[in-house]
Amino acid sequence: AQTVTQSQPEMSVQEAETVTLSCTYDTSESDYYLFWYKQPPSRQMILVIRQEAYKQQNATENRFSVNFQKAAKSFSLKISDSQLGDAAMYFCAYRTTGGGADGLTFGKGTHLIIQP
Amino acid sequence: DAGITQSPRHKVTETGTPVTLRCHQTENHRYMYWYRQDPGHGLRLIHYSYGVKDTDKGEVSDGYSVSRSKTEDFLLTLESATSSQTSVYFCAISKTGSMNTEAFFGQGTRLTVV
Repeated sequence: AQTVTQSQPEMSVQEAETVTLSCTYDTSESDYYLFWYKQPPSRQMILVIRQEAYKQQNATENRFSVNFQKAAKSFSLKISDSQLGDAAMYFCAYRTTGGGADGLTFGKGTHLIIQP
Repeated sequence: DAGITQSPRHKVTETGTPVTLRCHQTENHRYMYWYRQDPGHGLRLIHYSYGVKDTDKGEVSDGYSVSRSKTEDFLLTLESATSSQTSVYFCAISKTGSMNTEAFFGQGTRLTVV
């Protein structure tokens, strides 16, 4: 079974600074997708960024970028120029359709605090 | 925003009573999912559906059943609610089962079993 581990229950960063959230995963599949979701206090789940395992180039979406290390099974999220609106729970998630149950496997989340 | 409506948004029920949560979508997406979110656990898959009357179990399916008689509706039933089923329940939809397909989530239902 696939597992996703987020080792940082909580992170704090000053506004305008850069913060990196860690995620590691365990899988025997060769092709899969990795995602970062943001959950603000409204509870809405918002997709931040996604990465295909076969793509060596790290995904980037504006201030959000990932550092994907396939051999190490690591998928960290870097937020540059942190803003107050970035404060939220962040979940790393994994998905494959290589057999077994469909759907996303989530980590336990990292609570990101932005200090003004 | 994806057209996903969960009802009710909040519910308090007593132990042993049946409870049904509804997920309604207007996107005509084939795949629908039920997750539960608990502190320290993230989101965990309960059941999912890949078409009308086609459903399968997820990671934490014990104590839950689902039904999908129409494309737009996916119901989650707790036959006899227990305190361990106190949680926030999320419905999600995706157009296909491909791993690159984005999943869209509803606003969640907070269920408290007393």
